[in-house]
Amino acid sequence: QQPVQSPQAVILREGEDAVINCSSSKALYSVHWYRQKHGEAPVFLMILLKGGEQKGHEKISASFNEKKQQSSLYLTASQLSYSGTYFCGTVAGNTGKLIFGQGTTLQVKP
Amino acid sequence: NAGVTQTPKFQVLKTGQSMTLQCAQDMNHEYMSWYRQDPGMGLRLIHYSVGAGITDQGEVPNGYNVSRSTTEDFPLRLLSAAPSQTSVYFCASSFRTSGNVEQFFGPGTRLTVL
Repeated sequence: QQPVQSPQAVILREGEDAVINCSSSKALYSVHWYRQKHGEAPVFLMILLKGGEQKGHEKISASFNEKKQQSSLYLTASQLSYSGTYFCGTVAGNTGKLIFGQGTTLQVKP
Repeated sequence: NAGVTQTPKFQVLKTGQSMTLQCAQDMNHEYMSWYRQDPGMGLRLIHYSVGAGITDQGEVPNGYNVSRSTTEDFPLRLLSAAPSQTSVYFCASSFRTSGNVEQFFGPGTRLTVL
């Protein structure tokens, strides 16, 4: 079953912050985050493993609450280059079977 | 390393035709998978493989066949194409099957079925 992402779309001005949420009805082994630019392949951002960890990647960070089966991606001081569609992917169990959410479209305007 | 390669980049088929989408990786990755991407639906897993000779179904396997005779290649076959299979197809691979490593995506194949 696909994880659910919210919101579906976000429009920001440069320098503003955004949060993208991802929730699953299944117990999760890991949560992945990817970004896709229009017409391109998805590109890996980060993985979070169960244990409630947080990670950072430049001004993009994420958290994973395994008890709630939720993850959030935080984009701070957004830049034009952050525009794209963000996907969370979840792995339930140690199979590597990665199931993606429907995506969140982020548009950063000057 | 070429990474994950997919051929063709674009393809137009008529309903009922068959074809094979090719996927290859030169990173000696254990895990490979196929996704389709449709507007508003995200990336949906079609089939995946945890090693040569081992494949399993994903979320939307109907109408597609796969095989994995070598570590490098993971072709996706459409036996009788339908308009509902119009989509962008991505192949991905990762070093291990454990789910705690990143997946590398190929550039995609844009398929139109008339």
